[in-house]
Amino acid sequence: GESVGLHLPTLSVQEGDNSIINCAYSNSASDYFIWYKQESGKGPQFIIDIRSNMDKRQGQRVTVLLNKTVKHLSLQIAATQPGDSAVYFCAENKGSGYSTLTFGKGTMLLVSP
Amino acid sequence: NAGVMQNPRHLVRRRGQEARLRCSPMKGHSHVYWYRQLPEEGLKFMVYLQKENIIDESGMPKERFSAEFPKEGPSILRIQQVVRGDSAAYFCASSGGESYTFGSGTRLTVV
Repeated sequence: GESVGLHLPTLSVQEGDNSIINCAYSNSASDYFIWYKQESGKGPQFIIDIRSNMDKRQGQRVTVLLNKTVKHLSLQIAATQPGDSAVYFCAENKGSGYSTLTFGKGTMLLVSP
Repeated sequence: NAGVMQNPRHLVRRRGQEARLRCSPMKGHSHVYWYRQLPEEGLKFMVYLQKENIIDESGMPKERFSAEFPKEGPSILRIQQVVRGDSAAYFCASSGGESYTFGSGTRLTVV
């Protein structure tokens, strides 16, 4: 299940389940969104991105959905594996022409075998 | 392609000392970004540089912090007179277009 406490929100799933990680963003001018995976002691690793002129984009085992009406972004991971365990961050740019990113607080995904 | 190289990986400094963090971007990338990450938080933008120019330093504290990206050599993030609150992971990213590649970070501990 999903829980929010004093620390990072955590999503615990069983191996093979599908995972959905959610993110709310605040800047209506943002037109580029990215999901990153960060394993302990490592830098963020690019997973998938989406532009504001799209509402869905698929990669290998991952899908990103963008709902601009409610400023919501989600990452779906199919057939989650133990190697998917990490902290996942969404990030948005400041707006068209801006390359600096604003990161969300992150969600920890724990996958049990 | 060696990716974005940051060194040192770990840096311990006493309060009042200077910290120098280095970042070599990916080959062919001319844009460098520095971000800071506190434990269990997302990354916070600090500064964006292109060769020899600071493009955006809106996230960098006005005092004690400076950054450069010289024509030759790595980008340097310099923190003078470090305090305990500077303890964090500092990540560098480079890009040649829109998507970033991050380095593995430098973990600064101020004792």
